[in-house]
Amino acid sequence: SYELTQAPSVSVSPGQTARITCSGDKLGDKYACWYQQKPGQSPVLVIYQDVKRPSGIPERFSGSNSGNTATLTIRGAQTMDEADYYCQAWDNYTAAFGGGTKLTVL
Amino acid sequence: QVQLQESGPGLVMPSETLSLICSVSGDSITSHSWSWIRQPPGKGLEWIGYISYSGSTNYNPSLKSRVTISEDTSKNQFSLKMSSVTAADTAVYYCAREGGGFGDGTDYWGQGTLVTVSS
Repeated sequence: SYELTQAPSVSVSPGQTARITCSGDKLGDKYACWYQQKPGQSPVLVIYQDVKRPSGIPERFSGSNSGNTATLTIRGAQTMDEADYYCQAWDNYTAAFGGGTKLTVL
Repeated sequence: QVQLQESGPGLVMPSETLSLICSVSGDSITSHSWSWIRQPPGKGLEWIGYISYSGSTNYNPSLKSRVTISEDTSKNQFSLKMSSVTAADTAVYYCAREGGGFGDGTDYWGQGTLVTVSS
């Protein structure tokens, strides 16, 4: 089955740019999605089709995907962005999630 | 507004079958694909499988032998059955809507229901 790898944690100060990466074999040939999950809540889609933001997601969230790596970038990270972030991709009609990255903003 | 609500037993005995139902409002289950996703306590997300708008299914290869997803279009519900459960199947189980084609994202999620496997 397809595997996606994420770093367990990323830490930034408020106002800085946070970059969360997701790696997988030829990931750039697939679409990557990103989800934000805060404690005790269901995941929320923040990026789909590599670069698109659903309605209501702030512009500071952006995505890219090339080669073997997809990246979620949060420009001007705020304390409210502190959460777990998961990447997702589809391969052969099955979905795979990365292990998740805990973003700390302090 | 699309809403999903999981329902089913919160406690299942080891070796028995876990059964959950997802009730959908605000959308027809024949217009999108629908997934089950789980999250063990303190761990990451694991995709279990989906049922498409046409009723076809596909499953996580690691769970395929134990999982069945089906639908009841008359009730606008879809369901999950997982057989021969063990403590490793203890998790929050989410039902969710797939936005469209692959890559469109899972755009609506239920609140999740905790299922504990224990005697």
